[in-house]
Amino acid sequence: AQSVTQLDSQVPVFEEAPVELRCNYSSSVSVYLFWYVQYPNQGLQLLLKYLSGSTLVKGINGFEAEFNKSQTSFHLRKPSVHISDTAEYFCAVSVSMDSSYKLIFGSGTRLLVRP
Amino acid sequence: DTEVTQTPKHLVMGMTNKKSLKCEQHMGHRAMYWYKQKAKKPPELMFVYSYEKLSINESVPSRFSPECPNSSLLNLHLHALQPEDSALYLCASVPERGAYNEQFFGPGTRLTVL
Repeated sequence: AQSVTQLDSQVPVFEEAPVELRCNYSSSVSVYLFWYVQYPNQGLQLLLKYLSGSTLVKGINGFEAEFNKSQTSFHLRKPSVHISDTAEYFCAVSVSMDSSYKLIFGSGTRLLVRP
Repeated sequence: DTEVTQTPKHLVMGMTNKKSLKCEQHMGHRAMYWYKQKAKKPPELMFVYSYEKLSINESVPSRFSPECPNSSLLNLHLHALQPEDSALYLCASVPERGAYNEQFFGPGTRLTVL
C-alpha cells in the first residue's frame, strides 16, 4: 500500500531564512505527488503538484519541490520564508481506487516562522 | 474558477439532532469528496462520489449519510452523532477539466457535537 512519511512534525525557522520540509513516499509505478498548505481554521490550499515531466516543480508563494525517484522523496523548499508562511503543510500521494483517485496524506509538518 | 464553498461555516448540534452540511462547486463534476479532520491530524477520507455516483465509502458509520443531488452539490446528512464526531469536515472537488487527481478543497465546516 502507498504511504507518505513526513519525518518532521514541527520546523521552527527565523524569518527570511531558507526552509526545507521533508516528504518521502513508498515506491510505485506511477507517482502523483502534492503539497498542500493549511492556515489556521481554513481548508487545504494546493501549493504545487508533480504529475509528470520536469522533476523540479514550482508552486505558489515562492515554494518549489523536487521529485527524486531514486530517493523516493518530494521535499518542499523556500529560499526565504515570511511570518505569513506559518501554517501546517501536508504532503500527499494520489492513488487509484476503483473508478476514483484518493489522496494519502502524510502526518503533516507545522512550519513556525519566528521574527 | 476552482472555488469550493461549504455551508455552514460552524455548526453546533446535540446528539439527537439532524443536520446537513452542504458543499457546492461550479467546475463540473469528475469527483467530489468528504473528509473529516481532527485537530493536528491530516484529513481522513470518508466518501468519494465519482460522476455523481458513490464510489468509495471508507467504512463510515451510518450516522453519516452522503448525497450528491446534482453535478454541483454534495451534502452530508448527520443524525445521532457522538461527541467524538466533533471535527472539521472538508469537501473537495476534482474539476471536469484538468488533472483527474487534483483536488480543490473548500474552507470546511467546524462541527461541535454536544
